[in-house]
Amino acid sequence: NAGVTQTPKFQVLKTGQSMTLQCAQDMNHEYMSWYRQDPGMGLRLIHYSVGAGITDQGEVPNGYNVSRSTTEDFPLRLLSAAPSQTSVYFCASSYSEMSTTEAFFGQGTRLTVV
Amino acid sequence: KQEVTQIPAALSVPEGENLVLNCSFTDSAIYNLQWFRQDPGKGLTSLLLIQSSQREQTSGRLNASLDKSSGRSTLYIAASQPGDSATYLCAVNSGNTPLVFGKGTRLSVIA
Repeated sequence: NAGVTQTPKFQVLKTGQSMTLQCAQDMNHEYMSWYRQDPGMGLRLIHYSVGAGITDQGEVPNGYNVSRSTTEDFPLRLLSAAPSQTSVYFCASSYSEMSTTEAFFGQGTRLTVV
Repeated sequence: KQEVTQIPAALSVPEGENLVLNCSFTDSAIYNLQWFRQDPGKGLTSLLLIQSSQREQTSGRLNASLDKSSGRSTLYIAASQPGDSATYLCAVNSGNTPLVFGKGTRLSVIA
């Protein structure tokens, strides 16, 4: 199994550009989420989804959009990139939000906005 | 709102030493707690998952304990090695939101 796959691994954007970070999982997990990791801040939740067609906001949702049209995919869209969105982004999945099974993470996307 | 704290923020030990990493959480109504390892520039690797009904879990030289009533978990690493150097993250699953993370403990094991 591939697990959780994130693309791209690295990206440089100019301020104001838009882009989509891709996340796909092949474990038939219902629950997927996006985090950003910044030095000294830990991992902070951006958006999450409890199943296809259902999304909700996390702690730091401003400037980001998500959609969940399939169980497998959960893309994160940056609408108009800002330097404050320079960060490492991680996608995670698990069987359900009340799961007794572990959460799995992708390898991350390192984004720099100049 | 669940908050997770990890102490210490950084730790440096000589090779061979046994060590304990601490994690505390404010809301004891949890489903499980997960310990992760993160190497520099890499993703998160799950080390141990401990359910709310369990007191401890073991994997090799690692042992995680959970005291739900007091809101605490510890990760015990026996006979530390330089390859154990990494950041260790604790995350809590409260069931109504995704995992809430502590800020991690950065461990350096000196040969």
